[in-house]
Amino acid sequence: GEDVEQSLFLSVREGDSSVINCTYTDSSSTYLYWYKQEPGAGLQLLTYIFSNMDMKQDQRLTVLLNKKDKHLSLRIADTQTGDSAIYFCAGAGGTASKLTFGTGTRLQVTL
Amino acid sequence: SAVISQKPSRDICQRGTSLTIQCQVDSQVTMMFWYRQQPGQSLTLIATANQGSEATYESGFVIDKFPISRPNLTFSTLTVSNMSPEDSSIYLCSVAGGPEETQYFGPGTRLLVL
Repeated sequence: GEDVEQSLFLSVREGDSSVINCTYTDSSSTYLYWYKQEPGAGLQLLTYIFSNMDMKQDQRLTVLLNKKDKHLSLRIADTQTGDSAIYFCAGAGGTASKLTFGTGTRLQVTL
Repeated sequence: SAVISQKPSRDICQRGTSLTIQCQVDSQVTMMFWYRQQPGQSLTLIATANQGSEATYESGFVIDKFPISRPNLTFSTLTVSNMSPEDSSIYLCSVAGGPEETQYFGPGTRLLVL
């Protein structure tokens, strides 16, 4: 099965950019997602990228995909305290198929 | 995106009892899934809830422990049977919706088993 790895913790200062990294093992993952989980809440879909894309930008969020290295990253520009949460990357082999989640990265934003 | 609700939002249960969690979505969806998030952990898929047929379970999860119903395209239930403290987790349903069938999650049910 697929393995999805993330670093456990990231601390950034408010206003700086955050980069959260993810590596995956299954090259057949055709859809890669980023979800945000705030304390005591469910998962919020932030953005996703198809495997035939290298980059996707959505307001403050930029997703980069390096298929050769099986590496996915999420950049949050101008990080705010409201961005403090756990961020999960997840891969799926196709639409509406099961997601394999990474371990999650806890983002702490300091003043 | 689909609006998903879950009931109950949280519960505290005694070991040996069972709890049924409901998931309701505001539009018809083809695929519904149930995930478990153990404390401090990532999410693991329990099963795919199939409308009109038996759920498809992932390795390590069995129907006797986690029976699932899917009577129509907007509703599903997950029962956690004969609970033990190890079942203390967040249980989340998700649906695949929209033109690209992306997965959206419900708010989760926080279960504590004493």
